[in-house]
Amino acid sequence: EVQLVESGGGLVQPGRSLRLSCAASGFIFENSGMHWVRQFPGKGLEWVSGINWNSGRTGYAASVKGRFTISRDNGKNSLYLQMDSLRAEDTALYYCAKDWDYGINYPYFDSWGQGTLVTVSS
Amino acid sequence: EITLTQSPGTLSLSQGDRATLSCRASQSVNNGYLAWYQQKPGQAPRLLIYGASSRATGIPDRFSGSGSGTDFTLTISRLEPEDFAVYYCQQYGPSGATFGGGTTVEI
Repeated sequence: EVQLVESGGGLVQPGRSLRLSCAASGFIFENSGMHWVRQFPGKGLEWVSGINWNSGRTGYAASVKGRFTISRDNGKNSLYLQMDSLRAEDTALYYCAKDWDYGINYPYFDSWGQGTLVTVSS
Repeated sequence: EITLTQSPGTLSLSQGDRATLSCRASQSVNNGYLAWYQQKPGQAPRLLIYGASSRATGIPDRFSGSGSGTDFTLTISRLEPEDFAVYYCQQYGPSGATFGGGTTVEI
């Protein structure tokens, strides 16, 4: 059974940084593209970032490009999201999600974690 | 960027009814690269449909997807109690993915 467990969320002041982690199990992690998807308090969903199986390709939503960095460690079956220069509008529940494929070219998400909450407020 | 508009915002139905949910794109979705997800309170979204009409693993056949171009539909043939939830459509392409705003199916 696929399991994705996010951690690292919390309350942070605007302009500060936070690093999210996602521990994966139940599938061959190094064979899958991986993503971060966030859900705003109003319940809207937004794809944030994706990384292909070997870290050779990454992608970002325009709203986070230049501030967030996605990475992965296949040896540790883990996905990360480094979030810098955080803003109030980044407040959301952040999900780790598994791509159906090894790449991220046409991403849809066949498994999701339960999410970690990030609140950006002074 | 492709914008997805879902309608109606809320669908009030009864168990056993047929539910028809709409997802309209601001421009054509290439190759029918559209997915549908179900989300229940306190849970993560769950993949139902991909490629506009292919059911994901373990999804009951009362769920079906159709459409092409800019107009897509999710149909639930006979609502079961566990189907009352929020449904999102999502398009996917080489630049990433975008989601619709969701349709709530309520009793």
